[in-house]
Amino acid sequence: RKEVEQDPGPFNVPEGATVAFNCTYSNSASQSFFWYRQDCRKEPKLLMSVYSSGNEDGRFTAQLNRASQYISLLIRDSKLSDSATYLCVVFSGGYQKVTFGTGTKLQVIP
Amino acid sequence: GAGVSQSPSNKVTEKGKDVELRCDPISGHTALYWYRQRLGQGLEFLIYFQGNSAPDKSGLPSDRFSAERTGESVSTLTIQRTQQEDSAVYLCASKRGGSYNEQFFGPGTRLTVL
Repeated sequence: RKEVEQDPGPFNVPEGATVAFNCTYSNSASQSFFWYRQDCRKEPKLLMSVYSSGNEDGRFTAQLNRASQYISLLIRDSKLSDSATYLCVVFSGGYQKVTFGTGTKLQVIP
Repeated sequence: GAGVSQSPSNKVTEKGKDVELRCDPISGHTALYWYRQRLGQGLEFLIYFQGNSAPDKSGLPSDRFSAERTGESVSTLTIQRTQQEDSAVYLCASKRGGSYNEQFFGPGTRLTVL
């Protein structure tokens, strides 16, 4: 089993739709979690951290479920500019071992 | 302030040649990571440096790959006797210490091995 797993997609959704991605992780000792966004042929950039209590940033909501070992990202009112690959990132271990998921591709269509 | 920088931005080399890629992290960032990303694929962890601790080399795919970092500054990734399957974008990221700080990525070096 991979340490961090994501559905690769692609998710093709119309503008204005709500879309959700999940990411599962295998290491129960994982400490911190992030969602990154990567545009085509660009480097990944932080979208948002994921806090235990869940957090929201505008149209984006991230949640963590430690019991089931997954994190989620919800995007409301999708925009064309949301089209990108969304990477789940998990930090664990005293030396801050970091594991990236392979990413979920989102395509928002007019 | 300045972000993570990488050089060169593009490198084309012939099979069998050695290449050296450079990463300048954000000042004050104690942790530095190298990743490889093949076209259409996810990020593949290569190596991790944290301060003066021994690096985590568990992701290096073969002994042709090596990396160095002097203190908390510049890092170089060296690939010896390059092969066509080494063609990829090599990304460097740095972060502050502590589990809750995010990584900041450089723009990457696109390596093409002919």
